[in-house]
Amino acid sequence: DTEVTQTPKHLVMGMTNKKSLKCEQHMGHRAMYWYKQKAKKPPELMFVYSYEKLSINESVPSRFSPECPNSSLLNLHLHALQPEDSALYLCASSQPLSSYEQYFGPGTRLTVT
Amino acid sequence: SQQGEEDPQALSIQEGENATMNCSYKTSINNLQWYRQNSGRGLVHLILIRSNEREKHSGRLRVTLDTSKKSSSLLITASRAADTASYFCAKDGGFKTIFGAGTRLFVKA
Repeated sequence: DTEVTQTPKHLVMGMTNKKSLKCEQHMGHRAMYWYKQKAKKPPELMFVYSYEKLSINESVPSRFSPECPNSSLLNLHLHALQPEDSALYLCASSQPLSSYEQYFGPGTRLTVT
Repeated sequence: SQQGEEDPQALSIQEGENATMNCSYKTSINNLQWYRQNSGRGLVHLILIRSNEREKHSGRLRVTLDTSKKSSSLLITASRAADTASYFCAKDGGFKTIFGAGTRLFVKA
């Protein structure tokens, strides 16, 4: 199974809401990533988990809170977002070495109203 | 910014023609990867080329790497309408992945 799944596919939330994005993989990968992608722009790395430990936080605002409950699951908790946070949020997984390809999920399209 | 530059930003060709996309980067690399993204979807890994390699093939794809010029190119031969997508180069990978700006390819049937 080479699939990374993400739920929900679409999410609309107000600036006072709390919501979570979920990502799951069953490829035995020990590195998982969150990316943010604005329209017609490349993905920007937000967080990296390696062996369920947060390895990289690319100066992301605290209104985004990642969580890795186990080696197959990755969550992104959202709170008090701004309209400019509207974007496609992509999850990816790989073996934790730079020479390994990343497998991406289809993304969650987030709209903040 | 360490983000690579890609050119052209957009490319429109007829089915059957070849498409060439270029990627330049600023700092040294261990490897460079190419990904494809269909509209609003996740990225799909196409090919990885290591810093000690000069050329690599995969089906209709040919990637070259010139470390002296800090540039790479992706050639898609005999393009098909299904190749319509955005193509990104990615410097290194894993924890250090930095994507280039991307080339939007449109293949007309």
